Order: sequence, then structure tokens, then C-alpha cells
Amino acid sequence: DAGITQSPRHKVTETGTPVTLRCHQTENHRYMYWYRQDPGHGLRLIHYSYGVKDTDKGEVSDGYSVSRSKTEDFLLTLESATSSQTSVYFCAIPSGRVAGELFFGEGSRLTVL
Amino acid sequence: AQSVTQPDIHITVSEGASLELRCNYSYGATPYLFWYVQSPGQGLQLLLKYFSGDTLVQGIKGFEAEFKRSQSSFNLRKPSVHWSDAAEYFCAVGAPGGSYIPTFGRGTSLIVHP
Repeated sequence: DAGITQSPRHKVTETGTPVTLRCHQTENHRYMYWYRQDPGHGLRLIHYSYGVKDTDKGEVSDGYSVSRSKTEDFLLTLESATSSQTSVYFCAIPSGRVAGELFFGEGSRLTVL
Repeated sequence: AQSVTQPDIHITVSEGASLELRCNYSYGATPYLFWYVQSPGQGLQLLLKYFSGDTLVQGIKGFEAEFKRSQSSFNLRKPSVHWSDAAEYFCAVGAPGGSYIPTFGRGTSLIVHP
């Protein structure tokens, strides 16, 4: 199976502080995705990457930036965290079988006080 | 643009009863369709998918789903629910117009009574 490691798995921070979440994959996929999950909203795409230094915005990209300096790592940064960014963040990569089929990491729970 | 609607926020069934979770999509052509399951505190796991061919697809854990083009639906079914099926279920659609990046529904929470 594909390997994704998200870190940290849990983080509590204060409003206004910067936060970086890391997604590390061992499958050498071009595509990587960041979603956030909130009750009543399901999963919403924040940003995605289609190669090293190639990224694009998703549905809810405001307040987030991403970077991909090497194939295996996709970083999600909250420059100045707000309480509305309290959420569970999931990284995903293609599972390689059908276009659109994803394999997800275990998630990073972020609480902004 | 593609979109997905899961009209039921919560579904409660008794163990052993049958289950149907509804999913409707919006897209001009036939998209790729997925159902994922999320157990508490876990990531999402693919249950089944449809992209062509037979409109009744079988998945893991005894689940199946039927693609109905005329109704723009992809409902998930299971003939007999087990307590371990209690989880959050997400329908998703991927389409060429969106580079196949899947759009997810809001999810349906399944509660199973003993």
C-alpha cells in the first residue's frame, strides 16, 4: 500500500501564530493534495501539487500557502492561524488505479485557540 | 463544475437491517464516482468506485453501489449492517473538467443500534 505520513498528528496553537503541517509520501507520486475536514462540510480541497514547485489553489485556499521543494514532501502553512482554521487536515495522493481515486493519510488535528 | 450531494446527515439502523446511503452528483457527462468510509479518528478508506462498465459495483466489507445515469445517483447499499459499520461515509466525484480531482459530499454518519 501507498505510504503517507502526516506530522504533527495533533497540534494546539494560538491565534496569530504560524503553523506548518507536513505530508511525506514514499510512492513518488507527482500529485499530492491537502484537504480540510469540518463537520457539515465534508472534505474540501485547500491546495494541490502536480510536481515539484508546481501547485494550485483549491476551493478553500484563503489563509493557506503550500510548498513542494521535493517530490516526497508537501507542506501546508498557515501564516497566521485563526480559529476558523481549527480543523482536521488530510493529505492524499493518487492510489494509482483510477483517476481521482485517492489514498489518504491519517490526518492532522489542528486546534487554534 | 462537478458537485455531490449527500442528503442525509445521519442514518440510524439496527444491526442486521439493510442500509442505503444516498448520493447525487452533478456533472454533464459520466464522472468517476467513489464511496469512502471513515472510522472515528481514522483517515478515509476507499469502499468502491465506478468509472465505466457494469453499473452495479461491488466493494469491500460487503458494500455495493449502483450507478443510475437517469437519476444522477450513486447510492451505497449493504444487505445486513454490522455494528462495526458505524462510521462516516463520503461520496465523491471526479471528472475530466476538474482534472479528476475529487469533490466530496458532506458525509453521512451511520449509527448502528444493537
